[in-house]
Amino acid sequence: DGGITQSPKYLFRKEGQNVTLSCEQNLNHDAMYWYRQDPGQGLRLIYYSQIVNDFQKGDIAEGYSVSREKKESFPLTVTSAQKNPTAFYLCASSMSVPKKPQHFGDGTRLSIL
Amino acid sequence: ILNVEQSPQSLHVQEGDSTNFTCSFPSSNFYALHWYRWETAKSPEALFVMTLNGDEKKKGQISATLNTKEGYSYLYIKGSQPEDSATYLCASHNAGNMLTFGGGTRLMVKP
Repeated sequence: DGGITQSPKYLFRKEGQNVTLSCEQNLNHDAMYWYRQDPGQGLRLIYYSQIVNDFQKGDIAEGYSVSREKKESFPLTVTSAQKNPTAFYLCASSMSVPKKPQHFGDGTRLSIL
Repeated sequence: ILNVEQSPQSLHVQEGDSTNFTCSFPSSNFYALHWYRWETAKSPEALFVMTLNGDEKKKGQISATLNTKEGYSYLYIKGSQPEDSATYLCASHNAGNMLTFGGGTRLMVKP
């Protein structure tokens, strides 16, 4: 079945450590997105990519980095510069037109040790 | 950052009740309004994507309307069932921006 796979489901980060969240899709979608959710808040866009080898900052990109070397993959690195990384992270993909819905993964919950 | 607001934040209803919630969004440079349903321990699932003023869409007992001139959309659930319990997210797509999500409405349907 086509879909989006995020891993791991749970991740723990030590102080000063970078961690990478994986997101893979086999839907042949051009666009991919990373969102962050904090308790009581909506989804906030971290980074997005509309084509391979290109990506744009979203509303809260500071302390995060991404790469898009393959169409299927859009990993997110939470760097040590992100001072409040504890959150739920969702990856999504879509066709690159506004009328098409986004398809989401199951999410990764990141916590600080 | 665009402002997309949803109300109420949470809602408790009895099985069989009909209910509705609101999404307000910027009406300028509007492209599309998305509704998603997010059940606990699952990923958000698309319900509707609406683009035209006056659009109405229906999926089973769930329907949605769109007013792009005044910037609001209503989601209706007729005869709520416990399996309708979820968080309902709306998101607006305006020119020059990606989707901006509201905070969601958490619906709990008691049997």
